[in-house]
Amino acid sequence: EIVLTQSPATLSVSPGERATLSCRASQSVSSYLAWYQQKPGQAPRLLIYGAFTRATGIPARFSGSGSGTEFTLTIGSLQSEDFAVYYCHQYDNWPLTFGGGAKVEIK
Amino acid sequence: EVQLVESGGGAIQPGGSLRLSCVVSGITFSNYAMSWVRQAPGKGLEGLSLISYNGDSTYYADSVKGRFTISRDNSKSTLYLQMNSLRAEDTAVYYCAKMDGSDAHRDTFDMWGQGTMVSVSS
Repeated sequence: EIVLTQSPATLSVSPGERATLSCRASQSVSSYLAWYQQKPGQAPRLLIYGAFTRATGIPARFSGSGSGTEFTLTIGSLQSEDFAVYYCHQYDNWPLTFGGGAKVEIK
Repeated sequence: EVQLVESGGGAIQPGGSLRLSCVVSGITFSNYAMSWVRQAPGKGLEGLSLISYNGDSTYYADSVKGRFTISRDNSKSTLYLQMNSLRAEDTAVYYCAKMDGSDAHRDTFDMWGQGTMVSVSS
């Protein structure tokens, strides 16, 4: 099973600032890495797939990078609606696995 | 508009069974692989099971293998999860998710339902 480790677990950021989240895979997943946003009481929403491709309707302030075992999600200028939990997810191999999540909170 | 609507959750005693359903609208259901993902209270996401567009291929996480069965009825645009021998650790919100491809190979979850809660307790 491929283990995904996200860091930091919690990130405190002021609105308008940049946020950078990391995801490390225990073995290469090529570019089969996605990022999801989840708000309390809601289902996850796909933000990024293929490591860097934004999903339909996702604002340009969200960007993904990386390949192999090291990946990054950057939120360019945090808006109030971006405070949430973010999960990385690999779909290179079954079982499909998720990182433990990273909470972006208001500083 | 694409909609995925789960049902069938509830409270059940250990050892019991439940069948979850997910009705999908707004897409050609039979073109896509589908999946179930769960989230225990206050915890992260766990991919449970996948089924290809035609039902020929299925995959299960070790935690549910032999107890849960995924299936689909393309004529009804409905995905199912039969859950047997339920345990306390199966308590979670269960999400139905559409895959972005047909064969469940290197596809990711691109749309999700709102989830249905399953609570296993004596």
